[in-house]
Amino acid sequence: KNEVEQSPQNLTAQEGEFITINCSYSVGISALHWLQQHPGGGIVSLFMLSSGKKKHGRLIATINIQEKHSSLHITASHPRDSAVYICAVQKTSYDKVIFGPGTSLSVIP
Amino acid sequence: EPEVTQTPSHQVTQMGQEVILRCVPISNHLYFYWYRQILGQKVEFLVSFYNNEISEKSEIFDDQFSVERPDGSNFTLKIRSTKLEDSAMYFCATQGAGETQYFGPGTRLLVL
Repeated sequence: KNEVEQSPQNLTAQEGEFITINCSYSVGISALHWLQQHPGGGIVSLFMLSSGKKKHGRLIATINIQEKHSSLHITASHPRDSAVYICAVQKTSYDKVIFGPGTSLSVIP
Repeated sequence: EPEVTQTPSHQVTQMGQEVILRCVPISNHLYFYWYRQILGQKVEFLVSFYNNEISEKSEIFDDQFSVERPDGSNFTLKIRSTKLEDSAMYFCATQGAGETQYFGPGTRLLVL
């Protein structure tokens, strides 16, 4: 069984829509990461969370430790947000990162 | 913004050849990692390295793979005799005290 699951697997949205990507995990963690991967392949870290909520521009990430669940929200989506969004966890502070399968987002003008 | 760099960005090699992938970590980081992503699949952990020793390695990281910090700055991944199935994007990541892991831009390896 995968330790990190994401839904949906693929998502198409109209420009301006509010988007939510969900992540659930099955292990105890010290941190959860949201990452972005563009078609060129590079991975960019968006958020690292251990509790609560973080906001950066139009991106909001939340985590519920008790329910082992996190969400990434994108407000006022734009075509440049099109990318793969990956949820990943670390069990302890300097442990390897365990990656989810990713959610492929396409925002249409 | 500090960044992890990797060279080369792309490498094409013949099956059976040795390849060395290089990573320059962020200067005060002490924890180093290699991951790989086969096309169309999720990112997988290969190995972690701290204090000049391997901390953990995955089943993928067999005797054909090795890591080292030859000069105290660069962090390298060597594949001794490449196989077709080694074709993938290889990411280096580094982490400092109390920080997130920072990922490099990746090296795309193609084994023919």
